[in-house]
Amino acid sequence: EIVLTQSPGTLSLSPGERATLSCRASQSVSSSYLAWFQQKPGQAPRLLIYGASSRATGIPDRFSGSGSGTDFTLTISRLEPEDFALYYCQQYSNSPLTFGGGTKVEI
Amino acid sequence: QVQLVQSGAEVKKPGASVKVSCKASGYTFTSYAIHWVRQAPGQRLEWMGWINAGNGNTKYSQKFQGRVTITRNTTASTAYMELSSLRSEDTAIYYCVRGGSGQQLTGDWGQGTLVTVSS
Repeated sequence: EIVLTQSPGTLSLSPGERATLSCRASQSVSSSYLAWFQQKPGQAPRLLIYGASSRATGIPDRFSGSGSGTDFTLTISRLEPEDFALYYCQQYSNSPLTFGGGTKVEI
Repeated sequence: QVQLVQSGAEVKKPGASVKVSCKASGYTFTSYAIHWVRQAPGQRLEWMGWINAGNGNTKYSQKFQGRVTITRNTTASTAYMELSSLRSEDTAIYYCVRGGSGQQLTGDWGQGTLVTVSS
């Protein structure tokens, strides 16, 4: 199975700053079948990015995804107060589908 | 709008089974897959399997093979996930998710169902 490793585990930033989250796969994720989700306490995950770089419906353009192969990045250009949350990457290239361990973005 | 509404919280004893339902609305149920994903306390999200709601074909994570059964009722636009031989490590929130192209998970998730396994 493809193991996804996210770094850093926690990112401490202030509103207005730029956040860069990393996701590394143990083997190549074909066709860039990589997604990013945001999760807040008590809520289901929210899809942000699919296909490594395509924003889901209704997602602000301050969120962007990039990368291919084994290295992927989620960038939040200017943090808003509502962006402080947990972020997961997820691959759907191979079965079983797998998720990373998450990066917490905190104030 | 797409909605996935799951059944309520469950408390089960070790060794028992649990069956969680996921009622879909706002789209053609048989045109999309339904995936099941769980989240144990403090753990990463974990994919369990999926069902093609059109033809009923299923695929399960090897980790749960033999213990999980995913079914659907097309008349009721409802998918079900049954997990047997429950143990304390199965205590988690279970989510259903509408599938997209291929094995993609969409942004349409159920609200989650807490299953607690305790003696």
